[in-house]
Amino acid sequence: LAKTTQPISMDSYEGQEVNITCSHNNIATNDYITWYQQFPSQGPRFIIQGYKTKVTNEVASLFIPADRKSSTLSLPRVSLSDTAVYYCPSYNDMRFGAGTRLTVKP
Amino acid sequence: NAGVTQTPKFQVLKTGQSMTLQCAQDMNHNSMYWYRQDPGMGLRLIYYSASEGTTDKGEVPNGYNVSRLNKREFSLRLESAAPSQTSVYFCASSYSQGAGGGELFFGEGSRLTVL
Repeated sequence: LAKTTQPISMDSYEGQEVNITCSHNNIATNDYITWYQQFPSQGPRFIIQGYKTKVTNEVASLFIPADRKSSTLSLPRVSLSDTAVYYCPSYNDMRFGAGTRLTVKP
Repeated sequence: NAGVTQTPKFQVLKTGQSMTLQCAQDMNHNSMYWYRQDPGMGLRLIYYSASEGTTDKGEVPNGYNVSRLNKREFSLRLESAAPSQTSVYFCASSYSQGAGGGELFFGEGSRLTVL
């Protein structure tokens, strides 16, 4: 089974760029890496997905190296409303783990 | 757009009581999932249904049963509730399970307390 590892928590300040890294041990060749965001008392919400290299949407960028053993979610110019827990499950595994708790300070 | 609807949103049970959590999706998705989230913890997969008529165990299936009633509905049953099952339960759905199956859409959660 694929196993992901990510930092338990991170702190940042408004306006900064935040990079959250996830390691993906044993990710399957055909699997995609996904990232989700969860606010308190809500279900997780999909942010972005990728297979290799870089993907960007209106919310974030996702960097995946050629070996696909890790991924980095980049949030540009964070605001207080980006305070949430971020998860990096893969499609085949469906396991969210504990996630990374991001706290954005004023 | 309703998306994924869970009922009830809140429930208090006594140890040994049984109950069923209901989940319905209106996105014509093939795959559905049940997760639990304990305070300050991440989500753990209980059971999933890759397609109508199939169900499979996830990480923490003990103490639970599921039924994929039809394509829209996926229920989670606690036959004899225990305090360790106090948690927030999330139902999710996706077009299909596995790589290329599309993102998961989550419901708002059902908060269960077992006394």
